[in-house]
Amino acid sequence: DIQMTQSPSTLSASVGDRVTITCRASQSISSWLAWYQQKPGKAPKLLIYKASSLESGVPSRFSGSGSGTEFTLTISSLQPDDFATYYCQQYNSYTLTFGGGTKVEIK
Amino acid sequence: QVQLVQSGAEVKKPGASVKVSCKVSGYTLTELSMHWVRQAPGKGLEWMGGFDPEDGETIYAQKFQGRVTMTEDTSTDTAYMELSSLRSEDTAVYYCATGENYFDYWGQGTLVTVSS
Repeated sequence: DIQMTQSPSTLSASVGDRVTITCRASQSISSWLAWYQQKPGKAPKLLIYKASSLESGVPSRFSGSGSGTEFTLTISSLQPDDFATYYCQQYNSYTLTFGGGTKVEIK
Repeated sequence: QVQLVQSGAEVKKPGASVKVSCKVSGYTLTELSMHWVRQAPGKGLEWMGGFDPEDGETIYAQKFQGRVTMTEDTSTDTAYMELSSLRSEDTAVYYCATGENYFDYWGQGTLVTVSS
């Protein structure tokens, strides 16, 4: 199975900060990567697919980049609604796998 | 717009089985590839398995093979996930989710508690 490693596991930031989360794959997954946001007690919400394509309705402050084994999710200016946990997910292999998550906390 | 509505919370004893349902509306089940993802308390997301439209088969994560069965009733547009031989580590929220190998639609989640 392809292993997905996210860093950091926790991130403390302030409103207005630029935030970057990294996701590394144990082997090349081309651009077959998605990012999700999850808030406590809620189902995950799709933000980005195919590494850099923004899901409809998602604010443009979210962006994704990368290919192969290294990927990033960037929030250009952190808003109060963005404090949540973020997960990456690979779909290069049909055994789908998620990263361990990055919790974005208020500094 | 796809809507996925799951069955309610369950409490089961170790060794028992649980069957969670996921009712589809807005589309028919045959138009979708349904997957199941679980999340233990305070932990991350874990893919359990789902339908591969290229092969026309359901693929299960190796961790759950032999213990999980995913089925569909196309007459009622309802998907099911049954997990057997439950143990305390199976306590989790179970989600159905659909999309093109990434998931743009999710059910609300079903809490399954395994406790003696």
